[in-house]
Amino acid sequence: GENVEQHPSTLSVQEGDSAVIKCTYSDSASNYFPWYKQELGKRPQLIIDIRSNVGEKKDQRIAVTLNKTAKHFSLHITETQPEDSAVYFCAAPFAGAGSYQLTFGKGTKLSVIP
Amino acid sequence: SAVISQKPSRDICQRGTSLTIQCQVDSQVTMMFWYRQQPGQSLTLIATANQGSEATYESGFVIDKFPISRPNLTFSTLTVSNMSPEDSSIYLCSVEYPPGTRDSTDTQYFGPGTRLTVL
Repeated sequence: GENVEQHPSTLSVQEGDSAVIKCTYSDSASNYFPWYKQELGKRPQLIIDIRSNVGEKKDQRIAVTLNKTAKHFSLHITETQPEDSAVYFCAAPFAGAGSYQLTFGKGTKLSVIP
Repeated sequence: SAVISQKPSRDICQRGTSLTIQCQVDSQVTMMFWYRQQPGQSLTLIATANQGSEATYESGFVIDKFPISRPNLTFSTLTVSNMSPEDSSIYLCSVEYPPGTRDSTDTQYFGPGTRLTVL
């Protein structure tokens, strides 16, 4: 199965600064890498994803980069705002029973200090 | 966006009893999954709910403890059987839509979760 390592486990930044969260994965066949944001008491929400045929994807203040050779991918949040405070999870797929399930990282608690 | 509902949203149960959690989706989906999220922890896949066949369980989870049904393409249930305090957790369903019907394939959308407390 897939093994996903996520760092750091907690991250505090000043409002307006950038935040970077990194994940590594073990299965070189993995080809889809989503990032989820989970606010306290809420469901995980997909914020961005990337496929292995591209190295970077951007959506406003959020970007994800992928290095397939090194088997790691990162979430970049620029100009952070207090509403970015949440737990962020990366994930990578593994093949099981004819479909792809996701293995999640342990999460990063991001705190944006006003 | 995806419309996924779960019932109940929360429950407090006595040890030894069972609780069935329902997951309803707004349209037909190919895959439905059940996860457990313990307080302050990540998401752990319990099983994949297959329509018309037995669910596929991950290591550490068994059918006798977590029986799953999926009678059609928009609905699934997870039962937590013979509960103990260690089963206190949030249980989430997620779905994957057929190719071409949503943003992309492989993307999973989550239900709001069921917060279970076992006394």
